Amino acid sequence: GESVGLHLPTLSVQEGDNSIINCAYSNSASDYFIWYKQESGKGPQFIIDIRSNMDKRQGQRVTVLLNKTVKHLSLQIAATQPGDSAVYFCAEIPALNKFYFGSGTKLNVKP
Amino acid sequence: DVKVTQSSRYLVKRTGEKVFLECVQDMDHENMFWYRQDPGLGLRLIYFSYDVKMKEKGDIPEGYSVSREKKERFSLILESASTNQTSMYLCASSSPRGKLFFGSGTQLSVL
Repeated sequence: GESVGLHLPTLSVQEGDNSIINCAYSNSASDYFIWYKQESGKGPQFIIDIRSNMDKRQGQRVTVLLNKTVKHLSLQIAATQPGDSAVYFCAEIPALNKFYFGSGTKLNVKP
Repeated sequence: DVKVTQSSRYLVKRTGEKVFLECVQDMDHENMFWYRQDPGLGLRLIYFSYDVKMKEKGDIPEGYSVSREKKERFSLILESASTNQTSMYLCASSSPRGKLFFGSGTQLSVL
């Protein structure tokens, strides 16, 4: 199967700082990636996606960077807020309806 | 906005009971999925359906069955619940472009 991993299982940041969450993927043929946010006891919430023909995509306070050379994906959150505290995980999609998920990084935002 | 609705947030059942988990999506998506999520194991695919009355086994189908009689509804059935089926169950549907949207989850406890 595919392997989608995360470099850090837990990340603690100060409120107002920027956060960077990383993800490595294994299939160089993957052409679509999604970041999800999951709060405790809730389902994963779609944050942002990126296709392999791009290396950067920006949303509201979030940016996803894709480095296909080293098969690495990152999620940057600007001005991190307490409401950003959650588990974040990436999904790699090598083919339509084939989703492979990382185990997640827990983001703790300290006030 | 896409809405994927799971009928129960929390369920407590006894070993041997037949359990139905219901999921409804309102975006006319062809594809629907059932995952279970366990600490340290991430998201694992149980079954998915790509059309009414069509289904395919995922990675861990044993002990589960599914039903898709209408496009908007996808049901997961535990024929005889066991304690190792205690988990968070997540339903999802995907758009034609491959974006996967999750419901809020059902935390099932089997005693």
